[in-house]
Amino acid sequence: NAGVTQTPKFRILKIGQSMTLQCTQDMNHNYMYWYRQDPGMGLKLIYYSVGAGITDKGEVPNGYNVSRSTTEDFPLRLELAAPSQTSVYFCASSRTTVEQFFGPGTRLTVL
Amino acid sequence: SQKIEQNSEALNIQEGKTATLTCNYTNYSPAYLQWYRQDPGRGPVFLLLIRENEKEKRKERLKVTFDTTLKQSLFHITASQPADSATYLCALHSGNTPLVFGKGTRLSVIA
Repeated sequence: NAGVTQTPKFRILKIGQSMTLQCTQDMNHNYMYWYRQDPGMGLKLIYYSVGAGITDKGEVPNGYNVSRSTTEDFPLRLELAAPSQTSVYFCASSRTTVEQFFGPGTRLTVL
Repeated sequence: SQKIEQNSEALNIQEGKTATLTCNYTNYSPAYLQWYRQDPGRGPVFLLLIRENEKEKRKERLKVTFDTTLKQSLFHITASQPADSATYLCALHSGNTPLVFGKGTRLSVIA
């Protein structure tokens, strides 16, 4: 099993550009999550999903969108990139609400 | 307001000693609490989970305690090694809310 994979690993965006961060898991987990991690600030939940077709907002959803059309994939969309979205983004999945498995992260810089 | 606090941003300890990390919370009634390890440039990795009706959990050199009266969890690493150097995150789950993470404590084990 590859676990949770994320692409790209790094990305530099200009203000106002858009992009999609990809996340795929091969563990058949129902739950999937997107977090951002800023230095010294811990993990903040952006969006999560409890199954295909179901998504919900986390603590910091503004400026992001998600979709969950399959069990495996949970892409995160940034429509109009802003410098405040410079961060490291982690995708995670879990079978139930415990023990989350994290991907390697995407380091995003918005200039 | 709800808060999760990990006692310090950084902790330095001599090799062979026991490292003790603290996680305090306010205005939560967690069903369970989890500890994760995060190495630089990587996603967090699940270590241990302890439920509200459990006082203590052990796994090899790791021990976690959970005191719902004090609203505190202690995470111990016995016979610490330089390879234990990492950031350790506590996270708690309360009701139907997704997992909430603390900011983490960066542990350095000095040879």
